[in-house]
Amino acid sequence: GAVVSQHPSWVICKSGTSVKIECRSLDFQATTMFWYRQFPKQSLMLMATSNEGSKATYEQGVEKDKFLINHASLTLSTLTVTSAHPEDSSFYICSARDLRGPGNTIYFGEGSWLTVV
Amino acid sequence: AQTVTQSQPEMSVQEAETVTLSCTYDTSESDYYLFWYKQPPSRQMILVIRQEAYKQQNATENRFSVNFQKAAKSFSLKISDSQLGDAAMYFCASKEGAQKLVFGQGTRLTINP
Repeated sequence: GAVVSQHPSWVICKSGTSVKIECRSLDFQATTMFWYRQFPKQSLMLMATSNEGSKATYEQGVEKDKFLINHASLTLSTLTVTSAHPEDSSFYICSARDLRGPGNTIYFGEGSWLTVV
Repeated sequence: AQTVTQSQPEMSVQEAETVTLSCTYDTSESDYYLFWYKQPPSRQMILVIRQEAYKQQNATENRFSVNFQKAAKSFSLKISDSQLGDAAMYFCASKEGAQKLVFGQGTRLTINP
């Protein structure tokens, strides 16, 4: 089946630095990818919709200058957390829409744990 | 805007028994899809079952089945012959057409041996 790969799985960075998380669709082209953040014991919160070749669409309350999203190819979207702070520590997970299947099936990556120290 | 509500934060069931997880949704669209995802401790989101709104027949996947009540906007998940590996967070989700997935709050399922 379709596979979405997310990298890195774990990352620790210092406050004030930037960190990039990649989301790749391995066997299908994804014009649309989604980035979520999940706090402990909570549901997935959609941060933004990443569109290949155009600007991402951010959800209300998400700082677009803080969470930079780039979708430069049909198989890769990146999320860059800029000037990271400890409160940015969280689990980030991406998903990609496969247009080939019924209902535009959405597949998820494995997620990335970000710890800002 | 579409919404999804899971009113059971936690559920538990004895191994080999049957458990039903509840979900209600709201949408103004006629073309929509409903999903149940499982999230084990690894945090990987695993698609359990999918239901197209235009289909009257309830979806089934081995031990997993749904009770789709369109008029009531209800979409419950039944797990038969529960196994220890079924322990996880379960999220109900809806999607209008080609739009984004909207998730419920989740239900933590515990399987008692």
